[in-house]
Amino acid sequence: SQQGEEDPQALSIQEGENATMNCSYKTSINNLQWYRQNSGRGLVHLILIRSNEREKHSGRLRVTLDTSKKSSSLLITASRAADTASYFCAAANFGNEKLTFGTGTRLTIIP
Amino acid sequence: GAGVSQSPRYKVAKRGQDVALRCDPISGHVSLFWYQQALGQGPEFLTYFQNEAQLDKSGLPSDRFFAERPEGSVSTLKIQRTQQEDSAVYLCASSSWSFGSYEQYFGPGTRLTVT
Repeated sequence: SQQGEEDPQALSIQEGENATMNCSYKTSINNLQWYRQNSGRGLVHLILIRSNEREKHSGRLRVTLDTSKKSSSLLITASRAADTASYFCAAANFGNEKLTFGTGTRLTIIP
Repeated sequence: GAGVSQSPRYKVAKRGQDVALRCDPISGHVSLFWYQQALGQGPEFLTYFQNEAQLDKSGLPSDRFFAERPEGSVSTLKIQRTQQEDSAVYLCASSSWSFGSYEQYFGPGTRLTVT
């Protein structure tokens, strides 16, 4: 079963705007990861945040984690047409490497 | 270097047929995972190997599903007596399981259609 929910399910924004996606999960985690999936490149790892971290940056990506609310958010700044894809959060529990994915957010960047 | 490869990329099977899906992980990666992704959903965990040992098969939906990795490298996911509900994309991923590295590298997937 899915670990949790992502919202929104779909998001369309103009190129250059910022996109924010949210993820909620159900159980205690070791780390939370974000992946992007499009038809051209399959599922690709974007960024990982550990349970003892609150915020992390990588290029135009910023991820936050609130373990008290069991939630995370992914911010993509200055969006580009190439960012059009589905974005998934994935939770990793302690003692097990398997990932439990969310339901995904479908992001469309309008040129 | 080469990424994770999967074959075939597409498979059409008649209901009741057996299928075998292959995964070639990144060379040297200790951990290998199989996920099932239904249309419009996130991937769902099926099973996980560390070298040749199958450490977790809790996600396999029925005893018709079987996975192996006999030499700790290539893995095969076998589905016996396929049913229509088995139609999905089957994703394989590998990771190096080095300290502090939890990133999984995914293959392109095998799209299985059961008719």
